[in-house]
Amino acid sequence: DVKVTQSSRYLVKRTGEKVFLECVQDMDHENMFWYRQDPGLGLRLIYFSYDVKMKEKGDIPEGYSVSREKKERFSLILESASTNQTSMYLCASSFRGLRKPQHFGDGTRLSIL
Amino acid sequence: TQLLEQSPQFLSIQEGENLTVYCNSSSVFSSLQWYRQEPGEGPVLLVTVVTGGEVKKLKRLTFQFGDARKDSSLHITAAQPGDTGLYLCAAPNAGNNRKLIWGLGTSLAVNP
Repeated sequence: DVKVTQSSRYLVKRTGEKVFLECVQDMDHENMFWYRQDPGLGLRLIYFSYDVKMKEKGDIPEGYSVSREKKERFSLILESASTNQTSMYLCASSFRGLRKPQHFGDGTRLSIL
Repeated sequence: TQLLEQSPQFLSIQEGENLTVYCNSSSVFSSLQWYRQEPGEGPVLLVTVVTGGEVKKLKRLTFQFGDARKDSSLHITAAQPGDTGLYLCAAPNAGNNRKLIWGLGTSLAVNP
């Protein structure tokens, strides 16, 4: 069965810390995505990657960076965490192609204090 | 700017009732996907519709893609508590089809 695994379900960090969120997929998908989900704002794309070492900015990349050194792993980095980055973070992956479904992890609820 | 507008935003109904939720846009899309997100989990794909006028059924769920491929609806017959969740529609971004455009979702609560 398809599996996207996010490293933590809940995470609490302090303002200014560097935060790493990890995502691993076991489906050999080319594409991987990082979203954040906030009430009233829906799913917003932060970054995505369509191949190893390739990345593209999404709609809200400011304050974030990503790393994809291996096909199965996509990391989201908060360079200097701020309280407005408190959110639910969702990782997804998919095969290349216009109508391919995205498969999501269960999310990481991140709180920045 | 391409937008997907979902309505209603919230819906609370009793078990056994029927309901319809909508996903509308002024843009034409090559396809449209519906996902359901249950509390504490990520969204899961329900269906992809491709052809204008297409109707797809998934047990008690009926999905329709508008003739002009600008809108879609999801009809649930005899809703059950297990249908509770956030229903999201998504479509390929015409400017960069590696990305999806997402609606804000309809939050459905089915009460026993």
